Amino acid sequence: DIQMTQSPSTLSASVGDRVTITCRASQSISSWLAWYQQKPGKAPKLLIYKASNLESGVPSRFSGSGYGTEFTLTISCLQPDDFATYYCQQYNSYSTFGQGTKVEIK
Amino acid sequence: EVQLVESGGGLVKPGGSLRLSCAASSFAFNNAWMHWVRQAPGKGLEWVGRITNKGDGGTTDYAAPVKGRFTISRDDSTNTLYLQMNSLTTEDTAVYYCTTIPLGYCSTTRCFGYFQHWGQGALVTVSS
Repeated sequence: DIQMTQSPSTLSASVGDRVTITCRASQSISSWLAWYQQKPGKAPKLLIYKASNLESGVPSRFSGSGYGTEFTLTISCLQPDDFATYYCQQYNSYSTFGQGTKVEIK
Repeated sequence: EVQLVESGGGLVKPGGSLRLSCAASSFAFNNAWMHWVRQAPGKGLEWVGRITNKGDGGTTDYAAPVKGRFTISRDDSTNTLYLQMNSLTTEDTAVYYCTTIPLGYCSTTRCFGYFQHWGQGALVTVSS
């Protein structure tokens, strides 16, 4: 099974900050990685697919990069609506999620 | 707009059974590959299983913790996805989401895809 490890688990930031979340795979997954945003009591929302492709309707302040085993999600200028938990997902072999990164207000 | 609406959640005793439904609308359900993902209270997301469309064999795959206990099926005549859960344990307590990958994304059963549309979730509580 492919394991996904996100860091950090919690991130404290202020509006306007540049934020980076890292996701590492236990083996190469090529570019088969997605990122999701989840707010309390709500379903996850797709942000990025195939490592760096922005889903339609998602603000351009969100971006993704990486290949193989190391990936990043960057929010270029944090907005109040961005305080949430973020998950990575590999879909190279079956499907596995990272444990999540909570972005909280500093 | 794609809509996925889960129902059938509730409280069940350990060892019991429950069937969840997911009503789909506003997309070609018969062509869709559908998945179930769950989230235990205060925990992360966990993939449960998937079913391909009938044209691709209606193939099912399951995560190890539920294999042999859970069964995914579909009724294309009513645009409904099902998750039959048997031999439930407290570890199965979670919100269960139905979700789908982009239409036509996968061409082989080795493909899994990313989850583009999600339902609102159904809470299943397993407790005595």
